[in-house]
Amino acid sequence: EVQLVESGGGLVQPGGSLRLSCAASGLIFSSSWMYWVRQAPGKGLVWVSRISPDGSTTTYADSVKGRFTISRDNTKNTLYLQMNSLRAEDSAVYYCTRSQRGGLDWGQGTMVTVSS
Amino acid sequence: QSALTQPASVSGSPGQSITISCTGTSSDISAYNYVSWYQQHPGKAPKLMIYEVSNRPSGVSNRFSGSKSGNTASLAISGLQAEDEADYYCSSFTSSSTVVFGGGTKLTVL
Repeated sequence: EVQLVESGGGLVQPGGSLRLSCAASGLIFSSSWMYWVRQAPGKGLVWVSRISPDGSTTTYADSVKGRFTISRDNTKNTLYLQMNSLRAEDSAVYYCTRSQRGGLDWGQGTMVTVSS
Repeated sequence: QSALTQPASVSGSPGQSITISCTGTSSDISAYNYVSWYQQHPGKAPKLMIYEVSNRPSGVSNRFSGSKSGNTASLAISGLQAEDEADYYCSSFTSSSTVVFGGGTKLTVL
């Protein structure tokens, strides 16, 4: 069974930084495309970023390009999202997901709140 | 990349069938067979229900089915049950190598 466990969320001031982590198990992590997806309170799902199995290819949504960085450590089966220059509109539950044939397996999410 | 278009809400009585549509463009739904559907109950993480347009993961009821025609994908649920009441989201891979979600559809079982 695939397990994805996010951590690192919390309250941060506008302009601040936060790094999210996602520990993966039950899958061949080093062969998996990994994504981050977020959901603001009461709103829909929004794709944030993706990274190739070897980490050489990354893609970002326009709304986070230049501020967020996705990375991975295949030796630790862990996915990361470094979030800088955070804005109020970045407040959301952030989900770590594994892509397989276009379908996503989901973690339980970690809440990020950007507020002064 | 604009969100895929879904109806805000649909409803049906127990035992009935419903369909949720998801409309995109030539850069996403009609260009790829990487259309997926997710079910989300309040306070829970989304759950994969359909992948690659019409495939069901192991453990998902065969009451759920997916299809695609041109720019529009559809999720059909037959034999509605109370537990099917949830939010449903479609998603598609895009020509920009990104992923786009629909705005979500709230299913109410009357």
